[in-house]
Amino acid sequence: DVKVTQSSRYLVKRTGEKVFLECVQDMDHENMFWYRQDPGLGLRLIYFSYDVKMKEKGDIPEGYSVSREKKERFSLILESASTNQTSMYLCASSLEDTQYFGPGTRLTVL
Amino acid sequence: DQQVKQNSPSLSVQEGRISILNCDYTNSMFDYFLWYKKYPAEGPTFLISISSIKDKNEDGRFTVFLNKSAKHLSLHIVPSQPGDSAVYFCAALTSGAGSYQLTFGKGTKLSVIP
Repeated sequence: DVKVTQSSRYLVKRTGEKVFLECVQDMDHENMFWYRQDPGLGLRLIYFSYDVKMKEKGDIPEGYSVSREKKERFSLILESASTNQTSMYLCASSLEDTQYFGPGTRLTVL
Repeated sequence: DQQVKQNSPSLSVQEGRISILNCDYTNSMFDYFLWYKKYPAEGPTFLISISSIKDKNEDGRFTVFLNKSAKHLSLHIVPSQPGDSAVYFCAALTSGAGSYQLTFGKGTKLSVIP
């Protein structure tokens, strides 16, 4: 059974803090993705990775970085959180055509 | 049944001309579309995306157009360069009721002739 987990369901941080969002998949998938979802804007791709230590920028990488040290784990990093990064963050992994998503992390930056 | 279709398996274009890659979809619940580019022996790389609330998104030589009523999107590359020769994949995302799925087309191989 497919399983993608994210470290937190809800997170509150202050402006300027460094934020780590962790994502783990247990399906041995090569590809992993980070998206943010905002009302009226749909899902937007931030970064993705198709192999360990590989990363590619998505649609909106500014203000974010990522880390993929192990195949099963893909981390999204906000170096200095800002209020416009308040959003729902979704991680996904895929092998071929279909992506499987985690439950999401609702991040609020005060 | 294929929900995302790229009906042209291959396309050849002269260098400097416009390349137009087409993609059709059947699921009206798709709300986000992405294009990926893949070179032989490499993983796919993200190229450009468009939300269903827009009808055009432009990034340098690449422009994606979305026609929701026709359930059709296209990727325009102007001007085409030999380095653009690759396989291009169209992908569509559904996101509703906490469940998300990204579906890919089978790809179109673009050859840009010098």
